[in-house]
Amino acid sequence: GAGVSQSPSNKVTEKGKDVELRCDPISGHTALYWYRQRLGQGLEFLIYFQGNSAPDKSGLPSDRFSAERTGESVSTLTIQRTQQEDSAVYLCASSPPPRGASTGELFFGEGSRLTVL
Amino acid sequence: RKEVEQDPGPFNVPEGATVAFNCTYSNSASQSFFWYRQDCRKEPKLLMSVYSSGNEDGRFTAQLNRASQYISLLIRDSKLSDSATYLCVVNLRSNYKLTFGKGTLLTVNP
Repeated sequence: GAGVSQSPSNKVTEKGKDVELRCDPISGHTALYWYRQRLGQGLEFLIYFQGNSAPDKSGLPSDRFSAERTGESVSTLTIQRTQQEDSAVYLCASSPPPRGASTGELFFGEGSRLTVL
Repeated sequence: RKEVEQDPGPFNVPEGATVAFNCTYSNSASQSFFWYRQDCRKEPKLLMSVYSSGNEDGRFTAQLNRASQYISLLIRDSKLSDSATYLCVVNLRSNYKLTFGKGTLLTVNP
């Protein structure tokens, strides 16, 4: 499809295990974001990639969290030694290249629901 | 001042009511403004962009006040299906990063 694709859609893991979540942005979109959303809570910014610029990692909650992006395509979010408080929906979003000082619309994937037992 | 600030609500209104949400932002140089809607257990989706001159889409009107650094969303003739969380989104940094407010929960009651 032409939208943002995330996998897996659901992941159940045991405390202490590592998990990898994948995001395929819309083709041509230079910006990619990862967010975390706990049940009943707002969006929590994690990391932002924009083209070839250094990523904004200011939202990563601990050094157990890391993310990579290959050029302007796929991104993976890795959570090491998962904890129960990591249980949440992890949302990825992408947006087209900026025009002048303006930023385009964000398109979200359906999210990866992570449950840590 | 928070980067993007919204009244969290909740707003509970009867069908047919008019409801307004405001959002303030911290960076006077911001150039891009949006309202997103998020239904329960779904991903956020764009409701409308906000333009300098204000814009309308059916029952929805968005306005921007640069001098006071706030944007607003007005919903007229509320429907049950308008029940959702409304998120204000602004680009705050020169790196084009978009920042979300925490959202305002709206419930429209029959």
